[in-house]
Amino acid sequence: AQKITQTQPGMFVQEKEAVTLDCTYDTSDPSYGLFWYKQPSSGEMIFLIYQGSYDQQNATEGRYSLNFQKARKSANLVISASQLGDSAMYFCAMRETMKTSYDKVIFGPGTSLSVIP
Amino acid sequence: DVKVTQSSRYLVKRTGEKVFLECVQDMDHENMFWYRQDPGLGLRLIYFSYDVKMKEKGDIPEGYSVSREKKERFSLILESASTNQTSMYLCASDPWGDYSNQPQHFGDGTRLSIL
Repeated sequence: AQKITQTQPGMFVQEKEAVTLDCTYDTSDPSYGLFWYKQPSSGEMIFLIYQGSYDQQNATEGRYSLNFQKARKSANLVISASQLGDSAMYFCAMRETMKTSYDKVIFGPGTSLSVIP
Repeated sequence: DVKVTQSSRYLVKRTGEKVFLECVQDMDHENMFWYRQDPGLGLRLIYFSYDVKMKEKGDIPEGYSVSREKKERFSLILESASTNQTSMYLCASDPWGDYSNQPQHFGDGTRLSIL
């Protein structure tokens, strides 16, 4: 069965420093996609970045980058130059692309990030 | 801009009541979802729908039902609310087809308390 693990329930980072949020996944499907979402205290889920299993390069979106290590089944999110507005819950998610039925998205338990001034 | 709208941000109901949570999307997406979010558990799929009047059970459908009479609207129903259904409920949508690299679009969530 699919599974997403985020081992850091809570993290602190100093403003302007970089931080890495861990995500490991388990799948036997060779084709899948990995997503990171941000959820501020207001509740909305904001899509940050996507990595496909066949992508040769690590995904980047502005201050967000994804450290994708396929053999280790890890997809860590790196936030550079942290800002106070980065304080939020962060969820790692995976979608297998079997195309035999709807491709369910599985979410990890989340990591709460607090940015300290 | 794409939009998924949930009818209530906060809702307080009593045990035994029938509760309706409404979700509307304006993106013409075929797929719509209801998730439940609890601390330490992430998001768990309750039900999803890939077409009007079609529905599929997710991972935790017990105690819930859904209705999709129109493409843009997906309703979650708690038939007889219980205190263990106190939670954050998130609605989402995405397009059908080879869009596996596309993220789901979420509403702002409904924080439901059952007293």
